Amino acid sequence: DVKVTQSSRYLVKRTGEKVFLECVQDMDHENMFWYRQDPGLGLRLIYFSYDVKMKEKGDIPEGYSVSREKKERFSLILESASTNQTSMYLCASIPPGAKGQPQHFGDGTRLSIL
Amino acid sequence: AQKITQTQPGMFVQEKEAVTLDCTYDTSDPSYGLFWYKQPSSGEMIFLIYQGSYDQQNATEGRYSLNFQKARKSANLVISASQLGDSAMYFCAMSKNTGRRALTFGSGTRLQVQP
Repeated sequence: DVKVTQSSRYLVKRTGEKVFLECVQDMDHENMFWYRQDPGLGLRLIYFSYDVKMKEKGDIPEGYSVSREKKERFSLILESASTNQTSMYLCASIPPGAKGQPQHFGDGTRLSIL
Repeated sequence: AQKITQTQPGMFVQEKEAVTLDCTYDTSDPSYGLFWYKQPSSGEMIFLIYQGSYDQQNATEGRYSLNFQKARKSANLVISASQLGDSAMYFCAMSKNTGRRALTFGSGTRLQVQP
């Protein structure tokens, strides 16, 4: 069974801090994604990566960056955290190839910026 | 660009009854996939069902079925014989069937099953 692990379920940080959210998958998936979830807005794509050191911006990349140094790990970085980045963050991965493969999600990180 | 619309912020259903959660979509891609996910209060996203744009038959997975009407661009989720454990947020999502396959989500429907 695919396992996507996010390093923290809950995280509290202060405005201006540099924040790292880590995601690890154990199935050698090429594509990995970071989403942010807010009430009434569903999930929105921040960034995704389709290979080591390869990344593309999603719909809401402002204020975020990502790092993928190894295939299994995809990190989301808040360069200078702000209160409007308080949210639920979800990481996902998907194997290459056949259509219909669902994305596998981690359990999410509830991030509060004070 | 792809867009998913879920017009029901909240729904109630009696235990053992069937319920339909609405989803409409918009896309210019000829090949795409439609997904439904369940999110309990604990937060994890659970994949329920998939429908491909070229699939001739509606998808079914146990108590879940997808009422796919391509001409109307709708992909409603039907849950039969509701159970208390079905109480959760439900998200409709879509992606291209090629390329990076990032998901576009709707705003979700909160379903509450009453005993």
